[in-house]
Amino acid sequence: EIVLTQSPGTLSLSPGERATLSCRASQSVRSSYLAWYQQKPGQAPRLLIYGASSRATGIPDRFSGSGSGTDFTLTISRLEPEDFAVYCCQQYGSSPYTFGQGTKLEI
Amino acid sequence: QVQLVESGGGVVPPGRSLRLSCAASGFTFSSYGMHWVRQAPGKGLEWVAVISYDGLNKYYADSVKGRFTISRDNSKNTLYLQMNSLRAEDTALYYCAKDPTWQLLPKYYFDYWGQGTLVTVSS
Repeated sequence: EIVLTQSPGTLSLSPGERATLSCRASQSVRSSYLAWYQQKPGQAPRLLIYGASSRATGIPDRFSGSGSGTDFTLTISRLEPEDFAVYCCQQYGSSPYTFGQGTKLEI
Repeated sequence: QVQLVESGGGVVPPGRSLRLSCAASGFTFSSYGMHWVRQAPGKGLEWVAVISYDGLNKYYADSVKGRFTISRDNSKNTLYLQMNSLRAEDTALYYCAKDPTWQLLPKYYFDYWGQGTLVTVSS
């Protein structure tokens, strides 16, 4: 089973700043099959990035993903107030399809 | 727009059964694989099960294999999860989620999610 470790656990930033979130896999993720989701309390999770770097439909271009192999990054270039949420990564390259524990982005 | 609305959660004693439903709208339900994903309180997300667009292929996480059954009714645009022999560790918020791949094998990531239905297994 591929274990995904996200860091930091909590990231405290201000609107307008740049956020860099890390997702490290215990084994190489096949074909960069890595997705990022945003979770807010009481709301459905939202797909941000798939294939490590492809933005999902309707996602603003301030969100970008990068990485391959075992190291992946989600970058939010300039934080907007609505971006403060929990972000989690997921690998879908090999079964079982696992998620990271999440990074909480707080003001 | 795509909408997924789960229902059927509740409090149930260990060993009992529960059936979850997910009503889908805003897309051609019969053309997409569908998943159940759960999140235990204070824990990360866990993929539970998938069903292909035509209902012919179903796969499960080891933690639920033999106890849970995923199914779908394409005439009703509805996804189901029959949960038997429930355990305390099945307590979680259960999400239904859409696979992005049209009429092909599922990709196992999720482009739309519902808001979830809470299942609590407790005596």
